[in-house]
Amino acid sequence: SYVLTQPPSVSVAPGKTARITCGGNNIGTKGVHWYQQRPGQAPVLLVYDDSDRPSGIPERFSGSKSGNMATLTISRVEAEDEADYYCQVWDGSSDHYVFGTGTKVTVL
Amino acid sequence: EVQLVQSGVEVKKPGESLKISCKGSGYYFTGSWIGWVRQMPGEGLEWMGIIYPGDSETRYSPSFQGQVTISADKSINTAYLQWSSLKASDTAIYYCARKAGYTHGWYYFDHWGQGTLVTVSS
Repeated sequence: SYVLTQPPSVSVAPGKTARITCGGNNIGTKGVHWYQQRPGQAPVLLVYDDSDRPSGIPERFSGSKSGNMATLTISRVEAEDEADYYCQVWDGSSDHYVFGTGTKVTVL
Repeated sequence: EVQLVQSGVEVKKPGESLKISCKGSGYYFTGSWIGWVRQMPGEGLEWMGIIYPGDSETRYSPSFQGQVTISADKSINTAYLQWSSLKASDTAIYYCARKAGYTHGWYYFDHWGQGTLVTVSS
């Protein structure tokens, strides 16, 4: 089955930039989506189709992809960005929805 | 406004049955797939399965096939997740979410329910 690998944790100081990676085989051929899950809350769609943002999501959140890696970048990090972040793809060969292992972002 | 509202907290004993619900509003419920996602305590998100309320076509993750049943009643805009015999390992938060991404065929979940906490303990 398809696997998406993320770093377990990322630490960042307020005002700095956090980058969260998401690796998967042939991820370049799939659309990558990102979710934010704050403690005790449901996931929220942050980025879809590699780099698009739903309305209401700050421009500080951006997505990109290169080779076998997708990246979520959080610019000008704020305390409220402390949360778990998950990448996700749809694997067309199996018609399965795959989530990454998740990354906990800690704001120092 | 799109909303998915899930049923409340459940506390059950091993071996008991359970059916939790997810009611959609603010969009054409019948024409949008609804997925279910499990989050075990302290763990990540796992896709369980998905249903098309229009005709109840259902797909399951191999990890959950035969373990749960997903259904829907389009007349009341509600999707369900049910167990016939719960185990302690079913303790988790369960989320429903609306499938999106039809433009490119790169599917994702754009709106999520608030989650239903299910605790199974003797």
